[in-house]
Amino acid sequence: DIQMTQSPSTLSASVGDRVTITCRASQSISSWLAWYQQKPGKAPKLLIYKASSLESGVPSRFSGSGSGTEFSLTISGLQPDDFATYYCQQHNSYSYSFGQGTKLEIK
Amino acid sequence: QVQLQESGPGLVKPSQTLSLTCTVSGGSISSGSYYWSWIRQPAGKGLEWIGRIYTSGSTNYNPSLKSRVTISVDTSKNQFSLNLSSVTAADTAVYYCARGYGSINYWGQGTLVTVSS
Repeated sequence: DIQMTQSPSTLSASVGDRVTITCRASQSISSWLAWYQQKPGKAPKLLIYKASSLESGVPSRFSGSGSGTEFSLTISGLQPDDFATYYCQQHNSYSYSFGQGTKLEIK
Repeated sequence: QVQLQESGPGLVKPSQTLSLTCTVSGGSISSGSYYWSWIRQPAGKGLEWIGRIYTSGSTNYNPSLKSRVTISVDTSKNQFSLNLSSVTAADTAVYYCARGYGSINYWGQGTLVTVSS
C-alpha cells in the first residue's frame, strides 16, 4: 500500500497570507496526485489533478507542484472562502489512498 | 452535468451487511473511461477509499477492506452498488459515491450510515 502523509495537520493563517501544505508518498507516484478542498458537511471538491493541473473553475490562487514522493499545494492570497480542510490523494496504483488532511484555520 | 446520489439504509446492525446504491444521472455509467468509486469518512476524521469499479466491470479494493467489500454495477439502471459485510461500529461513516479516472471530479452528497444494534 502507498501511504500518504500530509503536514501540517493544522495551519493557522490570515486573509491575504500565502500558505503551503505538503504531502509525502511512501513510494514514488510520479505525478499521480490530486488535491481536494472539503468544507463541513460537504463532499470534497477537486482542486488540482496530476500534481499541478488546475481543475476547471478553480481560482488561480491555488497551485500544486511536485513529483515522485514530495508534493505541495500553495494558496496565494488567502480568501475567507479558503478556510477548510485539504486532502491529497494518490492514484498511481490500483489502490487509491488519501492523506490524513490539513485543517486551515483563521488566525 | 453528471450527478451522483447515494441511497440505502441509514442504520445497520452489527455483523450484518451494509448495502448502498449510487444512482448516476446526466450521463451513462457505461460510456467513457471512468472509475466509479466508494469513499467513506467517519465523523471528524479523514477520507478512506473503499474501492472502485471500471466501466468494463473490473474492480479494485482497499486491501484493508478487501475481504468484506463487493462493488457491482447495473448498467440497465445506471447504478453501481456497495456491499460491506460483517460490519462493526468502526464502519459508521458518511459514505460517498464518486466518479473519476484517478482524480475524482464528481461526488455524491454523501449518506450517513450508522452501525448500531
